[in-house]
Amino acid sequence: NAGVTQTPKFRILKIGQSMTLQCTQDMNHNYMYWYRQDPGMGLKLIYYSVGAGITDKGEVPNGYNVSRSTTEDFPLRLELAAPSQTSVYFCASSYSGIPNTGELFFGEGSRLTVL
Amino acid sequence: GENVEQHPSTLSVQEGDSAVIKCTYSDSASNYFPWYKQELGKRPQLIIDIRSNVGEKKDQRIAVTLNKTAKHFSLHITETQPEDSAVYFCAASKRGAQKLVFGQGTRLTINP
Repeated sequence: NAGVTQTPKFRILKIGQSMTLQCTQDMNHNYMYWYRQDPGMGLKLIYYSVGAGITDKGEVPNGYNVSRSTTEDFPLRLELAAPSQTSVYFCASSYSGIPNTGELFFGEGSRLTVL
Repeated sequence: GENVEQHPSTLSVQEGDSAVIKCTYSDSASNYFPWYKQELGKRPQLIIDIRSNVGEKKDQRIAVTLNKTAKHFSLHITETQPEDSAVYFCAASKRGAQKLVFGQGTRLTINP
């Protein structure tokens, strides 16, 4: 199993551009999450999904959109990129909802810089 | 909603000494408390977790304690080694919440 795979690993965007961070998992997990990690800060939840066709906002959803058309994929869309969205983005998945199974499996992260 | 505070933000200890990281949470309904370790440039990984029906859990050199009354929990690392150097995150969740709320992280440095 590859686990959780994110692409791209690095990206530089200009202000106002848009892009999609891709996330796919091959563990047949129902639950998927997008977190952002700012320097010296913890992980803030952007959006999450409890299954295909279902998404919900986390703590910091503004400026982002998600979709969940399949169990495997959970892309994160940035519209009109702003410098405040410069961060490291982590996608994660779990077999069942927190706290039932207890473990989030993270991707390797995507470092995004908006200039 | 839930708020998790973590202290200290940085911690430096001599190799072989113990390290303790503390977290407090705000929602008394929270019942699950994991700890994640993130090595430099790597993804966070679960190292230990505890549920509210127990007060302490150990796994070799690491242990977590939970005080539900005071709403705080701690990570204890004994006999620290260089490979323990990392950022550690605590988190909290409650049944039905479907998500974790993370603390701000603690950068632990083990000095040889």
